[in-house]
Amino acid sequence: GDSVTQMEGPVTLSEEAFLTINCTYTATGYPSLFWYVQYPGEGLQLLLKATKADDKGSNKGFEATYRKETTSFHLEKGSVQVSDSAVYFCALNNAGNMLTFGGGTRLMVKP
Amino acid sequence: NAGVTQTPKFQVLKTGQSMTLQCAQDMNHNSMYWYRQDPGMGLRLIYYSASEGTTDKGEVPNGYNVSRLNKREFSLRLESAAPSQTSVYFCASSAILPANEQFFGPGTRLTVL
Repeated sequence: GDSVTQMEGPVTLSEEAFLTINCTYTATGYPSLFWYVQYPGEGLQLLLKATKADDKGSNKGFEATYRKETTSFHLEKGSVQVSDSAVYFCALNNAGNMLTFGGGTRLMVKP
Repeated sequence: NAGVTQTPKFQVLKTGQSMTLQCAQDMNHNSMYWYRQDPGMGLRLIYYSASEGTTDKGEVPNGYNVSRLNKREFSLRLESAAPSQTSVYFCASSAILPANEQFFGPGTRLTVL
């Protein structure tokens, strides 16, 4: 079946550092890929998405490129802020009714 | 717009007790979902409803029942709670299938003693 693997956290960075959170997936066909963010005490919010190979999703300074050759969708940001501290989830949808989530990666940004 | 709302926010049950988690959305979405979130395991789908009047099992349906009361409301019932059901429960909704952007509620933190 489909699966999503994320790097384990927590990831601790200083403000203005470069962020990469790795995400790889296993799926047949051509899934859509998503990054969701969960701030403390809240539900998940869609951060960005990509629906086909080589698409780049971007939002709030975050970017991720759909790489079918490496089955990856790594999340990047050039300069993180304290307000980016949250849990980030990579997910895929493979033409069905369900999202398959990775285990989540906690990011902590220190001033 | 309130988006997706869930009640209650917190609940403590004893083993064997029953309860219903309520979810409502005001975005006129056709599809609604119930997930549980456990540490280190991401979110797992319990049940979903593609449209009013239909429900289907997800990845982990055992021990749960659902009701799609109308287009706005989708409830999750635990008939006989077990400690393994201690988790954070999220309701979500989306406009179209296959699953496009899902909008999540704030969650219900449930502890079963």
